[in-house]
Amino acid sequence: EVQLVESGGGLVQPGGSLRLSCAASGFSFSSFVMKWVRQAPGKGLEWVSYMSSSGSTIYYADSVKGRFTISRDNAKNSLYLQMNSLRAEDTAVYYCARSYSSGWYAVDDYWGQGTLVTVSS
Amino acid sequence: DIQMTQSPSSLSASVGDRVTITCRASQSISNYLNWFQHKPGKAPKLLIYAASSLQSGVPSRFSGSGSGRDFTLTISSLQPEDFATYYCQQSYGTTWTFGQGTKVEIK
Repeated sequence: EVQLVESGGGLVQPGGSLRLSCAASGFSFSSFVMKWVRQAPGKGLEWVSYMSSSGSTIYYADSVKGRFTISRDNAKNSLYLQMNSLRAEDTAVYYCARSYSSGWYAVDDYWGQGTLVTVSS
Repeated sequence: DIQMTQSPSSLSASVGDRVTITCRASQSISNYLNWFQHKPGKAPKLLIYAASSLQSGVPSRFSGSGSGRDFTLTISSLQPEDFATYYCQQSYGTTWTFGQGTKVEIK
């Protein structure tokens, strides 16, 4: 069974840092693209970051570029999101998602249940 | 960036009703369109990918259609477990944007 479990969320002051983790199990983690997606309170889903299976290709949403860093450890079946210079508008539930590719098409087929990040003084 | 506009933002329906949600892209995205169901406190669930392909394990009452800019998610006969928020997502290119969501509530 595919499982994605996020951790590391919490309350942090504006300007602070936090590192999120996503522990993957039930599939060959090193073979899959992974993403972070967030949902601010009362808002919709927002894609945050993308990392290829090898880690060689990375993309960020403009809203987090220069502040957030995605990484992975394929030996530990884990995905990470280092969040620096946090702002109130970064308050959200953060989800990790697996991206399944079948030839020409890729889709986020499994998601974790999320971890809440609150940025407030 | 490609913008996705869903309508309606919310709807009230009864069990057994046919429900249709639409999603329009700001430019053509071919069939790079996915639909997700999201319930509070739960992981989002993939329903439809590539505009019209049903994800394994998803009931056949869910269907998707469309290409280019205009897409539709249809629930043929609404069931109690279908009350949730539904999001479209475009996967054309290297930024992935979602519609604002459609909350399906019990009438």
